[in-house]
Amino acid sequence: GAVVSQHPSWVICKSGTSVKIECRSLDFQATTMFWYRQFPKQSLMLMATSNEGSKATYEQGVEKDKFLINHASLTLSTLTVTSAHPEDSSFYICSASPLRDSNQPQHFGDGTRLSIL
Amino acid sequence: SQQGEEDPQALSIQEGENATMNCSYKTSINNLQWYRQNSGRGLVHLILIRSNEREKHSGRLRVTLDTSKKSSSLLITASRAADTASYFCATAGQAGTALIFGKGTTLSVSS
Repeated sequence: GAVVSQHPSWVICKSGTSVKIECRSLDFQATTMFWYRQFPKQSLMLMATSNEGSKATYEQGVEKDKFLINHASLTLSTLTVTSAHPEDSSFYICSASPLRDSNQPQHFGDGTRLSIL
Repeated sequence: SQQGEEDPQALSIQEGENATMNCSYKTSINNLQWYRQNSGRGLVHLILIRSNEREKHSGRLRVTLDTSKKSSSLLITASRAADTASYFCATAGQAGTALIFGKGTTLSVSS
């Protein structure tokens, strides 16, 4: 079945560091990928829609200069948290679908737990 | 943004009992999906029900959808300890748009 790989699974770093998270569709092409953020014991909040070959679309309240998204190929989207601070600590999850059809399920990566000291 | 409430927020049952979770949403949808998340992990797709369907089954799962009330329910029958997880409903709009998640129900099944 369709598989989405997310890397790294866990990052601990100092305040001020920039962190890059990769989301790969392993056996299908995805023109669109989605990035979510999840705080402890809460639901997933959509951060942005990553579009291959064009700019990402950010949700209201999400700083595009803080969370840089690059979707350089049909199988890879990256989220870079720039100059991360403790308040950026969270669980970040990506998703993608092999077909541009909303009646197909999304496939999720295993998530990246980001801890900023 | 989030679609709405899930009810209950937390549910504790014994193995063998049934678990029912409810979900409400606000906008028109193409389909509604249920996902499961084990602690600290990604999401696993459970079942998808289209807007023109009213009920769907998959193994021990039964999902209903009432578009007039903008609500859905997930029933897990004969629950097992391994069903312990958080369950989220998510609505899908037009193609190419993201899923919008409910707040989730945390299910604990004790043996």
